[in-house]
Amino acid sequence: QVQLQESGPGLVKPSGTLSLTCAVSGGSISSSNWWSWIRQPPGKGLEWIGEIYHSGSTNYNPSLKSRVTISVDKSKNQFSLKLSSVTAADTAVYYCARNYGYSYGRKLYYFDYWGQGTLVTVSS
Amino acid sequence: DIQMTQSPSSLSASVGDRVTITCQASQDISNYLNWYQQKPGKAPKLLIYDASNLETGVPSRFSGSGSGTDFTFTISSLQPEDIATYYCQQYDNLPRTFGQGTKVEIK
Repeated sequence: QVQLQESGPGLVKPSGTLSLTCAVSGGSISSSNWWSWIRQPPGKGLEWIGEIYHSGSTNYNPSLKSRVTISVDKSKNQFSLKLSSVTAADTAVYYCARNYGYSYGRKLYYFDYWGQGTLVTVSS
Repeated sequence: DIQMTQSPSSLSASVGDRVTITCQASQDISNYLNWYQQKPGKAPKLLIYDASNLETGVPSRFSGSGSGTDFTFTISSLQPEDIATYYCQQYDNLPRTFGQGTKVEIK
């Protein structure tokens, strides 16, 4: 059973950088899956931030691309999120998730395993 | 970006009722659509993938249908434990996008 666990500061100052790590257990981050970050502002819907493959290939949401960096550490079986120049609008619960799937002719992708989420508040 | 529009945004139904939620994509996404259930304070849970395939372990009262731009999610007989917010999500194009959610409550 794959498990994901987010960790990082719960409070970040405006204009600072939000940094979170997702530790993967029960499976290898080097498996044939993408690994995603998704966020949810309080009382609102879900927003996909971006994803990484174990090779280091990344895809980012264009709305956040200029501020986002996702990286992978295969030796620790974890991946990380950095979001720079944060404002109060970045206050949200941040989830990491496994994006299971493939794209060979026909596509299939879905988020099958999620972390429990961590609330990050941007405030001075 | 592909916009996903769910309706209604909320609904109230009685135990045993049939509940239907629709999701419309801003362009043709074939069958590339998933449905998730999110209970308060919890991470979303995958229910339906590829528009109509039931995830392992998910009760058969949940179902999905549709293709192209119009999709439907159905709970055939609403149970108290189904109280949650439901989201559709497309994976045809990047960025992966979600509908705004439908909150289901018991009348």
